[in-house]
Amino acid sequence: GAVVSQHPSWVICKSGTSVKIECRSLDFQATTMFWYRQFPKQSLMLMATSNEGSKATYEQGVEKDKFLINHASLTLSTLTVTSAHPEDSSFYICSASVGASYGYTFGSGTRLTVV
Amino acid sequence: DQQVKQNSPSLSVQEGRISILNCDYTNSMFDYFLWYKKYPAEGPTFLISISSIKDKNEDGRFTVFLNKSAKHLSLHIVPSQPGDSAVYFCAATSPEYGNKLVFGAGTILRVKS
Repeated sequence: GAVVSQHPSWVICKSGTSVKIECRSLDFQATTMFWYRQFPKQSLMLMATSNEGSKATYEQGVEKDKFLINHASLTLSTLTVTSAHPEDSSFYICSASVGASYGYTFGSGTRLTVV
Repeated sequence: DQQVKQNSPSLSVQEGRISILNCDYTNSMFDYFLWYKKYPAEGPTFLISISSIKDKNEDGRFTVFLNKSAKHLSLHIVPSQPGDSAVYFCAATSPEYGNKLVFGAGTILRVKS
């Protein structure tokens, strides 16, 4: 089946630094990739949608200059958390899709802790 | 405003019995619904989906029922197994919504042996 690889699985960084999270579709070409974050005991909240070769579309309330998304190829999307602060500590999950009827495959998530 | 609601934060079921997880939605544009299972610190795993043209979809122990008029869907797991213990998320989408998934808050299922 479709596999999405997300790295790193966890990262601890100092406040003010930037962190890059990678999401790769291993055996299919994802026309669309989605980035979510999940706070403890809460639902997955969509942050942005990215299509290969075009700018990401951010959800309301998500700072696009803080959460940089690059979708350079049909198999790779990256999320960079710039100038991270402790309140950015969360669980970030990517998802790749070829289209709604083909399903959505999720990565294993990245636990970001900013100290 | 929550467009997808899972009003039960948790559910406890005895092994072998049926687990019924409920989900309500408010946006009538949604036409495709999915259920995911999630363990802590892991990504969601797809379980089963249903299109709005159907009212039931079955896959092994998992059955999803859709009541469009009530904007309600449910996931039935029978028989429940201890390995089913996890958080279950209901999600909805549609082409008009950009095929973005909107998730409910999740329901923690505990299956007791």
